[in-house]
Amino acid sequence: EDQVTQSPEALRLQEGESSSLNCSYTVSGLRGLFWYRQDPGKGPEFLFTLYSAGEEKEKERLKATLTKKESFLHITAPKPEDSATYLCAVPNGSGNTGKLIFGQGTTLQVKP
Amino acid sequence: NAGVMQNPRHLVRRRGQEARLRCSPMKGHSHVYWYRQLPEEGLKFMVYLQKENIIDESGMPKERFSAEFPKEGPSILRIQQVVRGDSAAYFCASSLQQMNTEAFFGQGTRLTVV
Repeated sequence: EDQVTQSPEALRLQEGESSSLNCSYTVSGLRGLFWYRQDPGKGPEFLFTLYSAGEEKEKERLKATLTKKESFLHITAPKPEDSATYLCAVPNGSGNTGKLIFGQGTTLQVKP
Repeated sequence: NAGVMQNPRHLVRRRGQEARLRCSPMKGHSHVYWYRQLPEEGLKFMVYLQKENIIDESGMPKERFSAEFPKEGPSILRIQQVVRGDSAAYFCASSLQQMNTEAFFGQGTRLTVV
């Protein structure tokens, strides 16, 4: 069964304290891995798509990387405005790539 | 370029009533997806539609729930005879192609059943 597991569930950082969020996945035939950011009361905001092991993408203080079994979202020198829940998702492996399997998310709090 | 539009943003229904949630995809997008987020739970896939067709409804409860995406107008998620357990945030997403590319979510409809 396709599965996505994110860790940690919650993370508290001081402003400027870099860290990484983990997303482990089990899926037959990876067709991409997605990272989203979700603020309270809002919809998920698309961040990155990664397609193959070794691929990296960056956006401001965020960098996403992908291996054959997991993805990391690295946050460099975070600011309070980076506080949000970060979601990882993969398309299901059954052929219909319309269905995304989401992890439970990591809730990040950055204190000034 | 407007994003995915959902309305209403908040909906309160009494048990037994019907709830209708609307989603207008981004311009040019013909693939629409509905997800549900229960309190303290992750996003769960419900249904995937293209214009006038249901492609995958494997995440939809067998009873009381239905979805459509007509040739003209928004996609509709309909919940008949709502119960308290239907209280959740319902999100719609759209994509230009199947969801192995960028998919964009709306702000959601928060349904409260009283």
